[in-house]
Amino acid sequence: DGGITQSPKYLFRKEGQNVTLSCEQNLNHDAMYWYRQDPGQGLRLIYYSQIVNDFQKGDIAEGYSVSREKKESFPLTVTSAQKNPTAFYLCASRDSYSSYNEQFFGPGTRLTVL
Amino acid sequence: QKEVEQDPGPLSVPEGAIVSLNCTYSNSAFQYFMWYRQYSRKGPELLMYTYSSGNKEDGRFTAQVDKSSKYISLFIRDSQPSDSATYLCAMSGEYGGSQGNLIFGKGTKLSVKP
Repeated sequence: DGGITQSPKYLFRKEGQNVTLSCEQNLNHDAMYWYRQDPGQGLRLIYYSQIVNDFQKGDIAEGYSVSREKKESFPLTVTSAQKNPTAFYLCASRDSYSSYNEQFFGPGTRLTVL
Repeated sequence: QKEVEQDPGPLSVPEGAIVSLNCTYSNSAFQYFMWYRQYSRKGPELLMYTYSSGNKEDGRFTAQVDKSSKYISLFIRDSQPSDSATYLCAMSGEYGGSQGNLIFGKGTKLSVKP
Protein backbone atom coordinates (compact mmCIF):
# COMPACT_ATOMS: atom_id res chain seq x y z
CA ASP A 1 0.00 0.00 0.00
CA GLY A 2 1.22 3.49 -0.84
CA GLY A 3 1.34 6.05 1.90
CA ILE A 4 3.28 8.09 4.41
CA THR A 5 4.70 6.68 7.60
CA GLN A 6 5.90 8.64 10.59
CA SER A 7 7.82 7.32 13.53
CA PRO A 8 7.73 7.18 16.40
CA LYS A 9 4.07 7.77 17.23
CA TYR A 10 4.97 9.20 20.63
CA LEU A 11 8.28 10.79 21.58
CA PHE A 12 9.49 12.19 24.85
CA ARG A 13 12.38 14.62 25.04
CA LYS A 14 14.31 16.00 27.93
CA GLU A 15 15.13 19.67 27.87
CA GLY A 16 18.35 20.39 26.01
CA GLN A 17 18.13 17.30 23.80
CA ASN A 18 17.83 17.15 20.05
CA VAL A 19 15.36 14.63 18.65
CA THR A 20 14.69 13.48 15.10
CA LEU A 21 11.26 12.62 13.72
CA SER A 22 11.10 10.25 10.79
CA CYS A 23 8.93 10.66 7.70
CA GLU A 24 8.95 8.19 4.81
CA GLN A 25 6.71 8.06 1.73
CA ASN A 26 6.38 5.53 -1.08
CA LEU A 27 4.04 7.63 -3.23
CA ASN A 28 6.87 8.83 -5.49
CA HIS A 29 6.01 12.43 -4.59
CA ASP A 30 8.57 15.16 -5.11
CA ALA A 31 7.27 17.62 -2.52
CA MET A 32 7.28 16.97 1.20
CA TYR A 33 6.22 19.11 4.15
CA TRP A 34 6.47 19.32 7.93
CA TYR A 35 3.72 20.96 9.98
CA ARG A 36 3.28 21.61 13.64
CA GLN A 37 -0.21 21.46 15.17
CA ASP A 38 -1.08 22.98 18.52
CA PRO A 39 -4.59 23.12 20.02
CA GLY A 40 -6.54 25.96 18.43
CA GLN A 41 -3.64 26.87 16.11
CA GLY A 42 -4.33 24.82 13.02
CA LEU A 43 -1.39 23.61 10.93
CA ARG A 44 1.73 25.76 10.81
CA LEU A 45 4.37 25.08 8.17
CA ILE A 46 7.87 24.37 9.50
CA TYR A 47 9.84 23.34 6.41
CA TYR A 48 9.09 22.11 2.92
CA SER A 49 11.05 20.51 0.13
CA GLN A 50 10.10 20.54 -3.56
CA ILE A 51 12.98 18.33 -4.68
CA VAL A 52 15.82 16.20 -3.34
CA ASN A 53 18.70 18.16 -1.76
CA ASP A 54 16.63 21.34 -1.58
CA PHE A 55 14.34 22.69 1.13
CA GLN A 56 12.89 26.01 2.27
CA LYS A 57 11.87 27.46 5.60
CA GLY A 58 8.21 27.76 6.38
CA ASP A 59 6.54 30.12 8.82
CA ILE A 60 8.02 28.70 12.03
CA ALA A 61 11.42 27.20 11.10
CA GLU A 62 13.38 28.52 14.09
CA GLY A 63 14.66 25.69 16.27
CA TYR A 64 14.11 23.03 13.61
CA SER A 65 16.27 21.52 10.89
CA VAL A 66 15.61 19.11 8.01
CA SER A 67 17.42 17.17 5.33
CA ARG A 68 16.27 15.73 2.00
CA GLU A 69 18.90 13.28 0.84
CA LYS A 70 16.41 10.83 -0.65
CA LYS A 71 13.12 11.39 -2.42
CA GLU A 72 11.31 9.08 0.00
CA SER A 73 12.62 10.56 3.24
CA PHE A 74 12.31 13.96 4.94
CA PRO A 75 13.42 13.76 8.59
CA LEU A 76 12.82 16.66 10.98
CA THR A 77 15.18 17.44 13.86
CA VAL A 78 13.81 19.39 16.78
CA THR A 79 16.80 21.10 18.34
CA SER A 80 17.35 22.38 21.85
CA ALA A 81 16.88 25.90 20.44
CA GLN A 82 13.16 25.22 20.02
CA LYS A 83 11.78 26.64 23.26
CA ASN A 84 8.35 25.09 23.20
CA PRO A 85 8.51 21.87 21.17
CA THR A 86 5.60 20.01 22.76
CA ALA A 87 3.14 19.57 19.88
CA PHE A 88 1.72 17.19 17.30
CA TYR A 89 3.95 17.00 14.21
CA LEU A 90 2.57 16.08 10.80
CA CYS A 91 4.45 15.17 7.66
CA ALA A 92 2.82 15.47 4.24
CA SER A 93 3.69 14.93 0.59
CA ARG A 94 2.36 16.15 -2.74
CA ASP A 95 2.73 15.19 -6.38
CA SER A 96 4.21 18.39 -7.85
CA TYR A 97 3.27 17.35 -11.39
CA SER A 98 -0.35 16.57 -10.73
CA SER A 99 -3.09 19.01 -11.66
CA TYR A 100 -4.45 18.40 -8.19
CA ASN A 101 -2.84 20.16 -5.26
CA GLU A 102 -3.74 17.61 -2.63
CA GLN A 103 -1.33 16.93 0.21
CA PHE A 104 -1.31 13.47 1.75
CA PHE A 105 -0.62 13.31 5.47
CA GLY A 106 1.07 10.81 7.71
CA PRO A 107 -0.39 9.70 11.06
CA GLY A 108 1.66 12.20 13.06
CA THR A 109 4.16 12.14 15.92
CA ARG A 110 3.26 13.56 19.31
CA LEU A 111 6.33 15.09 20.96
CA THR A 112 6.34 15.87 24.65
CA VAL A 113 9.09 17.66 26.52
CA LEU A 114 9.62 16.34 30.02
CA GLN B 1 -5.96 40.04 8.70
CA LYS B 2 -5.03 36.38 8.46
CA GLU B 3 -5.07 34.81 5.02
CA VAL B 4 -7.63 32.19 6.03
CA GLU B 5 -10.18 32.57 8.82
CA GLN B 6 -12.13 29.66 10.25
CA ASP B 7 -14.32 29.58 13.34
CA PRO B 8 -12.72 26.99 15.66
CA GLY B 9 -16.00 26.09 17.35
CA PRO B 10 -16.55 23.71 19.03
CA LEU B 11 -19.78 22.95 17.23
CA SER B 12 -22.19 20.42 18.72
CA VAL B 13 -25.23 19.17 16.81
CA PRO B 14 -27.74 16.31 17.20
CA GLU B 15 -27.55 13.32 14.91
CA GLY B 16 -29.36 13.95 11.62
CA ALA B 17 -28.76 17.72 11.63
CA ILE B 18 -27.41 19.67 8.68
CA VAL B 19 -23.98 21.07 9.48
CA SER B 20 -22.50 24.17 7.85
CA LEU B 21 -18.78 24.86 8.15
CA ASN B 22 -17.23 27.98 6.67
CA CYS B 23 -13.97 29.73 5.89
CA THR B 24 -13.18 33.17 4.57
CA TYR B 25 -9.97 34.20 2.86
CA SER B 26 -8.25 37.34 1.70
CA ASN B 27 -5.96 36.24 -1.15
CA SER B 28 -7.76 36.54 -4.49
CA ALA B 29 -5.06 34.36 -6.11
CA PHE B 30 -6.36 31.21 -4.39
CA GLN B 31 -7.68 28.73 -6.95
CA TYR B 32 -7.69 25.38 -5.15
CA PHE B 33 -9.97 24.81 -2.18
CA MET B 34 -10.06 21.74 0.01
CA TRP B 35 -11.65 20.38 3.12
CA TYR B 36 -9.75 17.94 5.28
CA ARG B 37 -11.20 15.84 8.08
CA GLN B 38 -9.04 15.02 11.07
CA TYR B 39 -10.02 12.53 13.72
CA SER B 40 -8.50 12.89 17.16
CA ARG B 41 -4.76 12.09 17.24
CA LYS B 42 -4.73 11.20 13.52
CA GLY B 43 -3.40 12.85 10.39
CA PRO B 44 -5.83 14.90 8.24
CA GLU B 45 -7.44 13.19 5.25
CA LEU B 46 -8.83 14.92 2.18
CA LEU B 47 -12.62 15.07 2.18
CA MET B 48 -13.54 17.46 -0.66
CA TYR B 49 -11.60 19.23 -3.40
CA THR B 50 -12.80 22.12 -5.58
CA TYR B 51 -11.07 24.12 -8.25
CA SER B 52 -12.16 27.74 -8.65
CA SER B 53 -15.83 28.58 -7.99
CA GLY B 54 -18.86 26.35 -7.85
CA ASN B 55 -20.35 23.43 -5.98
CA LYS B 56 -19.25 19.86 -5.60
CA GLU B 57 -21.28 17.09 -4.05
CA ASP B 58 -20.15 13.72 -2.73
CA GLY B 59 -22.74 11.71 -0.87
CA ARG B 60 -23.77 13.63 2.23
CA PHE B 61 -21.09 16.28 1.71
CA THR B 62 -21.33 19.42 -0.42
CA ALA B 63 -18.53 21.93 -0.91
CA GLN B 64 -19.25 25.45 -2.17
CA VAL B 65 -16.84 28.12 -3.28
CA ASP B 66 -17.84 31.75 -3.80
CA LYS B 67 -14.73 33.53 -5.08
CA SER B 68 -16.51 36.86 -5.40
CA SER B 69 -17.13 36.84 -1.65
CA LYS B 70 -13.92 34.93 -0.82
CA TYR B 71 -16.00 32.43 1.11
CA ILE B 72 -16.08 28.63 1.11
CA SER B 73 -18.47 26.26 2.82
CA LEU B 74 -18.83 22.59 3.62
CA PHE B 75 -22.31 21.19 4.24
CA ILE B 76 -22.90 17.83 5.88
CA ARG B 77 -26.39 16.41 5.52
CA ASP B 78 -27.87 13.81 7.87
CA SER B 79 -24.88 14.15 10.18
CA GLN B 80 -23.71 11.01 11.99
CA PRO B 81 -21.70 10.49 15.19
CA SER B 82 -18.90 9.19 12.94
CA ASP B 83 -18.67 12.71 11.46
CA SER B 84 -17.35 13.96 14.81
CA ALA B 85 -13.91 15.32 13.96
CA THR B 86 -12.04 18.52 13.28
CA TYR B 87 -12.62 19.95 9.80
CA LEU B 88 -9.84 22.01 8.25
CA CYS B 89 -10.25 24.19 5.21
CA ALA B 90 -7.18 24.61 2.99
CA MET B 91 -6.45 26.59 -0.13
CA SER B 92 -3.66 27.56 -2.50
CA GLY B 93 -2.76 29.39 -5.68
CA GLU B 94 -1.32 27.68 -8.73
CA TYR B 95 0.15 24.29 -7.96
CA GLY B 96 3.77 24.96 -8.94
CA GLY B 97 6.49 25.92 -6.50
CA SER B 98 5.69 27.71 -3.26
CA GLN B 99 2.45 28.97 -4.79
CA GLY B 100 1.20 25.41 -4.43
CA ASN B 101 1.71 25.32 -0.68
CA LEU B 102 -1.55 24.98 1.18
CA ILE B 103 -2.76 27.61 3.63
CA PHE B 104 -4.89 26.04 6.35
CA GLY B 105 -7.64 27.39 8.52
CA LYS B 106 -7.42 26.66 12.23
CA GLY B 107 -10.04 23.93 11.99
CA THR B 108 -13.57 23.59 13.39
CA LYS B 109 -14.18 20.85 15.93
CA LEU B 110 -17.52 19.15 15.29
CA SER B 111 -19.34 16.85 17.66
CA VAL B 112 -22.45 14.97 16.51
CA LYS B 113 -24.48 13.66 19.44
CA PRO B 114 -26.52 10.44 19.07
